[in-house]
Amino acid sequence: EVQLVESGGGLVQPGGSLRLSCTTSGFIFGNYWMNWVRQVPGKGLVWVSRINSNGDREDYADSVKGRFTISRDNTQNTLYLQMSSLRVEDTAVYYCARFNWGFQVPDIWGQGTLVTVSS
Amino acid sequence: DIVLTQTPPSLSVTRGQPASISCKSSQSLVHSDRRTYLYWFLQKPGQSPQLLMYEVSYRFTGVPDRFSGSGSGTDFTLMISRVEAEDVGIYYCMQTLQTPHTFGQGTKLE
Repeated sequence: EVQLVESGGGLVQPGGSLRLSCTTSGFIFGNYWMNWVRQVPGKGLVWVSRINSNGDREDYADSVKGRFTISRDNTQNTLYLQMSSLRVEDTAVYYCARFNWGFQVPDIWGQGTLVTVSS
Repeated sequence: DIVLTQTPPSLSVTRGQPASISCKSSQSLVHSDRRTYLYWFLQKPGQSPQLLMYEVSYRFTGVPDRFSGSGSGTDFTLMISRVEAEDVGIYYCMQTLQTPHTFGQGTKLE
């Protein structure tokens, strides 16, 4: 069974940093691009970032560019999102999602981890 | 950025009746490979999004055949032939033609 489990969320002050992890199992992690998508509670979905299968290509939404860094460890089947200079508006549930290259879509999502940026 | 506009924002449907959701894109979602990169998700209450349809009209694994998708270019529709209780939630369209990938604002089915 394919599983993605996010962790690392929590309460952080504005300007602070946090690293999210997404531990995966049930598929060959190193063969897939991976995404981060966020959702403010009660609001819609917003794409944040993606990384290619070997980790040498990254894309970001303008709202997080220069503050967030996506990375991966294919030996540990784990995806990361390093978040710095956090703002109140970064408060959201962060989902990791496997990107199905054949269908060109995130096909399997984790359950999400909540990040709250507040003083 | 590509803007996806969904209508209606909410939909109240009696069990067994049909439902239809529209998604209009600010530009064509047809790739140079002639595929159309428009997708539909359902987010059930308290859950993460689950993929329903890929490339407009193809049902993802395990999706019941009461769900269907249609459309081309910039105008797309998700249809449910007979709504079941388990279909409640928020439906989102999504495009992956270009980054940033974008979502519609959602349609809440009650």
